[in-house]
Parts: sequence; structure tokens; C-alpha cells
Amino acid sequence: ETGVTQSPTHLIKTRGQQVTLRCSSQSGHNTVSWYQQALGQGPQFIFQYYREEENGRGNFPPRFSGLQFPNYSSELNVNALELDDSALYLCASSFQGRDAFFGQGTRLTVV
Amino acid sequence: DQQVKQNSPSLSVQEGRISILNCDYTNSMFDYFLWYKKYPAEGPTFLISISSIKDKNEDGRFTVFLNKSAKHLSLHIVPSQPGDSAVYFCAASSASGTYKYIFGTGTRLKVLA
Repeated sequence: ETGVTQSPTHLIKTRGQQVTLRCSSQSGHNTVSWYQQALGQGPQFIFQYYREEENGRGNFPPRFSGLQFPNYSSELNVNALELDDSALYLCASSFQGRDAFFGQGTRLTVV
Repeated sequence: DQQVKQNSPSLSVQEGRISILNCDYTNSMFDYFLWYKKYPAEGPTFLISISSIKDKNEDGRFTVFLNKSAKHLSLHIVPSQPGDSAVYFCAASSASGTYKYIFGTGTRLKVLA
């Protein structure tokens, strides 16, 4: 068990709605990264937060945004949901980005 | 443009034998590599990492080999156990700045009892 927890575990939303996913990082870790995993694919990097600042972003539109809090927990927000946003969203925590430990993920279904 | 490739979507191995999972990468800036295993309905579990200053790293039954000139890494599991049956992902990043991991598409390992 990694100590990285995500909530909720499953979520169903309607196209056009907004969603917030949450992640508590492992004790001692100061960096949180978010990934999207579509069925049959490897995880794709969305962005990373280090000490409450965005520290790198993948090829995702601005409607994907995030926050990191002083206790290093994090949120992923997605606005104007599209059907293609249906995926497993994974949070990974690490100390300064190296060996990253993942949570169990949030399965988002957009209908 | 798939920068990290796992060309074998699946692999079956007899219990007790060696499992070898392969991964190729194209970006010469990658210098830090990870292997994860993933069970259904769970997040990826970190297995082992290797920096480009090494060509081998071992942790128990798991050994990762890195061939920088061939841009190739492999994960060896010896001996394989039925509980090792899972999807295995390799991931690569540059060790400077953001550790933005690029993942392969995974190899499904089945260890037969």
C-alpha cells in the first residue's frame, strides 16, 4: 500500500459538466502528478505540482486544471466535460518527482 | 509519436521460469526509467527504477537492464510466480526538471501454474 489515496473511486458525469478529483499524497512527498489512462493505453501525463506551483504540463487543454495545497494534497478539475474524457485518472506522489507512487485511481465516465 | 514502446502486448510464462519484458524508447534525453505492474481496478504499483548512469538494478526477484546505445530496457522476473500475472508498464523521463513520465502501452504477463 502506497499511502496515496484518491477520491472518489468512481464517478459518472454528463457531457458539459465540471468535475473535481482529489488526491492525498504519501507522507514525506512534496510532488503530485496527474495522469489519464484510457482503456488499453498507458497513463498519459496531465501535469505536475511541486510546492503548490504547476511544474510541467502535458498535452492537455486548459480546461484541465489543478491545485496543490500546503499539505501537498491535490485536486484535478476538468471543465466542460467531453465523452473522450472518460478514463481512469491517476494521481502519483513523489519526493521531487522521482520514483512516483500511484493511488488506486478515479474511474470517470462521461455520458 | 510513441516515444516509449512495448512491442509485446502479452506474454505467457510457466511458473518458476524467467519472465522477460522488453521496452524500447526513442528519446535520447530520457535518463530515468521505471517499471510498474498493474492489476485490474488498481493503480500502478512501483516495482523498480534505473538511472542511465547504471546498466543494471536488482531488487529481489526483479532486475532491470538498461542498454543506452540500443535505447532498450528489460525487466527480468526470476522465478516467476502466478501472483506476478498483471499488466507491466515501463516509463521514461528526463531526470532534469519535471519528471514527466512517458509510459508504454503495457505488456500483459500471465504466469501459468
